Amino acid sequence: GQQVMQIPQYQHVQEGEDFTTYCNSSTTLSNIQWYKQRPGGHPVFLIQLVKSGEVKKQKRLTFQFGEAKKNSSLHITATQTTDVGTYFCAGRYYGQNFVFGPGTRLSVLP
Amino acid sequence: DTGVSQDPRHKITKRGQNVTFRCDPISEHNRLYWYRQTLGQGPEFLTYFQNEAQLEKSRLLSDRFSAERPKGSFSTLEIQRTEQGDSAMYLCASSLGQELPSYEQYFGPGTRLTVT
Repeated sequence: GQQVMQIPQYQHVQEGEDFTTYCNSSTTLSNIQWYKQRPGGHPVFLIQLVKSGEVKKQKRLTFQFGEAKKNSSLHITATQTTDVGTYFCAGRYYGQNFVFGPGTRLSVLP
Repeated sequence: DTGVSQDPRHKITKRGQNVTFRCDPISEHNRLYWYRQTLGQGPEFLTYFQNEAQLEKSRLLSDRFSAERPKGSFSTLEIQRTEQGDSAMYLCASSLGQELPSYEQYFGPGTRLTVT
């Protein structure tokens, strides 16, 4: 079946440092969504990317969708302790439902 | 609260017993999804409904699992003859339905199942 990979699995940063997580698929995606899950919580939708090469920003968060629609990234500038959690990408293949990646767990040291 | 709700929040059962979980989606959402999540992993798709029709079921899903959405509103997920490997968080999500682009999924708090 289709698989979505994410790297890194874990990331520990000092507050104020930047953070990036990458999402990769071996085959072309229809679109991709990003979710954040706080410890003990449930996934919360962040953004959806649909177009090749699309870039979207939400305050300190920047999301990119690759030109070939096989990869995506989430970059957080100047992390804060409120950014702690696991970030999941969910790739959708044409005619199929979403496949979630394993997530990148971010911890931010104050 | 107009979000997605799930009941129960926790369920402990003995191996071999049947369990049923309920999900109440956001009222105007016609799509409803069931996922399973184990520690350190992302949500794994189980099945989804468009209104009352079950449109897709994971090929990895055992026939011990069955889901219904009888009137296109709430949904139930039943696991028969539970096994220890069924221990996981079962998440329900709902969304508006459209092929492309997709709408965001709103997740419920989940039901944590422990099979002893």
